[in-house]
Amino acid sequence: GENVEQHPSTLSVQEGDSAVIKCTYSDSASNYFPWYKQELGKRPQLIIDIRSNVGEKKDQRIAVTLNKTAKHFSLHITETQPEDSAVYFCAPRNSNYQLIWGAGTKLIIKP
Amino acid sequence: TAGITQAPTSQILAAGRSMTLRCTQDMRHNAMYWYRQDLGLGLRLIHYSNTAGTTGKGEVPDGYSVSRANTDDFPLTLASAVPSQTSVYFCASSLTEDNEQFFGPGTRLTVL
Repeated sequence: GENVEQHPSTLSVQEGDSAVIKCTYSDSASNYFPWYKQELGKRPQLIIDIRSNVGEKKDQRIAVTLNKTAKHFSLHITETQPEDSAVYFCAPRNSNYQLIWGAGTKLIIKP
Repeated sequence: TAGITQAPTSQILAAGRSMTLRCTQDMRHNAMYWYRQDLGLGLRLIHYSNTAGTTGKGEVPDGYSVSRANTDDFPLTLASAVPSQTSVYFCASSLTEDNEQFFGPGTRLTVL
């Protein structure tokens, strides 16, 4: 079956610094690549997504980059703030239109 | 607008009992999904429905059934609960299977 891996599993950064989370996937037919943020005890919420005809997308402090050849995409958060503390999930969509979720990356913002 | 709602919020269930988790959306979304989330893991798809009247199996469908009689509702039934079904269950919906998925608040189920 499809394999999705996220790295690192935990990331601790100083407030104001940048954070980068990488997601690798195995299904070469994947064409939609979202990132979800989940705060403790809350539902997952989409923060940014990219489709396979685009290499990079940016929304204020958040960006996603895609390398389809290497089958990985990354979440970039700049100027991190305390409210960025959460678990982040990548969930590339397979050819059956199903999201295949990574195990998550816990982002800790140190004051 | 309520968006997507789930009931109950939490439930403790004896093994062997049946249970239906409810999910309702008022966004007129065609596609709906049920996921389970276990501690330290990402979400896993149980069942989905791309449009009213149709359903499909996801990654972990065994022990669960769904129905989609209308656009708004997508109940998930556990016919005979087992402890391994202890999890947080999220319902989600999207305009079509090609659009962003929106999640409900979740149901925390404990099977003893």
